[in-house]
Amino acid sequence: ELKVEQNPLFLSMQEGKNYTIYCNYSTTSDRLYWYRQDPGKSLESLFVLLSNGAVKQEGRLMASLDTKARLSTLHITAAVHDLSATYFCAVDHDMRFGAGTRLTVKP
Amino acid sequence: DAGVIQSPRHEVTEMGQEVTLRCKPISGHNSLFWYRQTMMRGLELLIYFNNNVPIDDSGMPEDRFSAKMPNASFSTLKIQPSEPRDSAVYFCASSLWVAGGRGMLFFGSGTQLSVL
Repeated sequence: ELKVEQNPLFLSMQEGKNYTIYCNYSTTSDRLYWYRQDPGKSLESLFVLLSNGAVKQEGRLMASLDTKARLSTLHITAAVHDLSATYFCAVDHDMRFGAGTRLTVKP
Repeated sequence: DAGVIQSPRHEVTEMGQEVTLRCKPISGHNSLFWYRQTMMRGLELLIYFNNNVPIDDSGMPEDRFSAKMPNASFSTLKIQPSEPRDSAVYFCASSLWVAGGRGMLFFGSGTQLSVL
């Protein structure tokens, strides 16, 4: 069965700092997805990475994919409070999700 | 488009009762997923359909759970009989699936189920 592992599971960071969230998966896949969930809300899509080496950026978030290493990263640049949320990755094998990374950005 | 529509938004029921959750996917999407989210287990894939056909139901907890997709615009998830441990938020999501892969999932607002 496909396994999707995210780390860290909890991340508390100061505004203005940079950090990276990691997503490892256990089976071959050329597509990986990142989603965001605010407390008490549904999930919204952030990025879909379509191939090895793919990089997508939106504002302070940048996602990349290394299919050979079965690894995706979500890099946060100069964090702001509005980025506080839970971030999930999912793999296109059967769209199973990682456990999520709960990000808290403190002033 | 109104997005993925789920109903009801909230459901409170007593143990042993039948519960039916409903989902209308985005028009044109041909892949539909049911997930369950709890604090303890996170976001679990229950079942998914491609072109109305169930592809993987290995995540369905037990025989008390069943899902159907009679046409491209409607799906149901039924729990009979319900138990307190079924209390969770149930999400439906849809996407466009083609030979090259699957597009992003679009999630509904979820159904908050409480079984007393």
